[in-house]
Amino acid sequence: SAVISQKPSRDICQRGTSLTIQCQVDSQVTMMFWYRQQPGQSLTLIATANQGSEATYESGFVIDKFPISRPNLTFSTLTVSNMSPEDSSIYLCSVEDRAGVRADTQYFGPGTRLTVL
Amino acid sequence: EDQVTQSPEALRLQEGESSSLNCSYTVSGLRGLFWYRQDPGKGPEFLFTLYSAGEEKEKERLKATLTKKESFLHITAPKPEDSATYLCAARIQGAQKLVFGQGTRLTINP
Repeated sequence: SAVISQKPSRDICQRGTSLTIQCQVDSQVTMMFWYRQQPGQSLTLIATANQGSEATYESGFVIDKFPISRPNLTFSTLTVSNMSPEDSSIYLCSVEDRAGVRADTQYFGPGTRLTVL
Repeated sequence: EDQVTQSPEALRLQEGESSSLNCSYTVSGLRGLFWYRQDPGKGPEFLFTLYSAGEEKEKERLKATLTKKESFLHITAPKPEDSATYLCAARIQGAQKLVFGQGTRLTINP
């Protein structure tokens, strides 16, 4: 399976500022996903990022708040803009193993723990 | 609306005490049912994928099964290192996203 890394692993930010989270994969993948996991909650999909096209956002998430870049097949960024304490969450990127034995399986990065004061 | 519900929310067992975790799903069309393990402060770790009713998968002390309405994760003779949150997720036909349940927080006491 793909090896996924995220930077930063954690951060503490002031309200009103923005943070960009990076996701790097050790192999080329078509589809990358960004999820949010709020404290004590399960995972909710923010958006799907395909290389060469605009990200597709889920209901309740907008591009102005969570702009995403996908410049190539191994890298993506998620920015959390104009942050408020409600944005305190773990942000996770995942990739789909379409070429591997377990087609359709999504593998997750280690996550970025964000605290907004 | 597509929905995945896990029970119990938390489960505490003694080492060696076998049990099962439940994942019920109500979706428009199931493409696959996934089980993950999540340790505190880490991302979910893939365990199993089940595609059709009657399918079973095993890995060490874990066995996952699937029916048309629910999936079970059976844990046999668990050890303290099996303590984690177990998440199930459904992939809907024609969609890429996973719909996650709330998870079961499993604690195995030595």
